[in-house]
Amino acid sequence: DIQMTQSPSSLSASVGDRVTITCRASQSVSNYLNWYQQKPGKAPKLLIYAASTLQSGVPSRFSGSGSGTDFTLTISSLQPDDFATYYCQQTYSSPPRTFGQGTKVDIK
Amino acid sequence: EELVESGGGWVQSGGSLRLSCAASGFTFSIYSMNWVRQAPGKGLEWVSYISSSSSIIFYADSVKGRFTISRDNAKNSLYLQMNSLRVEDTAVYYCARDVSRCSSSTCYENWFDPWGQGTLVTVSS
Repeated sequence: DIQMTQSPSSLSASVGDRVTITCRASQSVSNYLNWYQQKPGKAPKLLIYAASTLQSGVPSRFSGSGSGTDFTLTISSLQPDDFATYYCQQTYSSPPRTFGQGTKVDIK
Repeated sequence: EELVESGGGWVQSGGSLRLSCAASGFTFSIYSMNWVRQAPGKGLEWVSYISSSSSIIFYADSVKGRFTISRDNAKNSLYLQMNSLRVEDTAVYYCARDVSRCSSSTCYENWFDPWGQGTLVTVSS
């Protein structure tokens, strides 16, 4: 099975900061990589699919990049609504459709 | 486009529960579907997948042989029959639509969208 490792596991940042979250796959997943945002007590929400395509309705401050084994989610200017946990997911080799362990973004 | 789960609750170890997921606002019968769970304070774990026609089904190793996924396209509904439940199955269970980018008869990347609000399953020893 492909393992997905996110870093960092958590980070503290201020409104307006540029935030970068990394996701690394244990083997190539091509661009079959998605990013989700989850707020406490809520269901995950799709942010980016196919590594770099922004889901409709998602603010343009979110962007994704990468291919193969190394991927990045960037928030260009952190907003109060962005404090949440972010998960990457690979769907290249499935089953299983593996998620990363999550990165919690909280207020500094 | 909406997914609404139901059927969660409290059950003793070794017991059974059947979760349901009602879909609305889209053509349910043409989409594959998934169940994903999240134990308290933990990350997301994919549980099971079923294709649109039910011809392809996958399970996570952790539930294989105990859980059964099914669907009724006439009722726009997805199900998860959970037997021989264990304490470690305690989680919020989400259903999620599987969306693919397809060209001609070939499909490429896929992702989960939307997700239901989740239903809590608590297994007590």
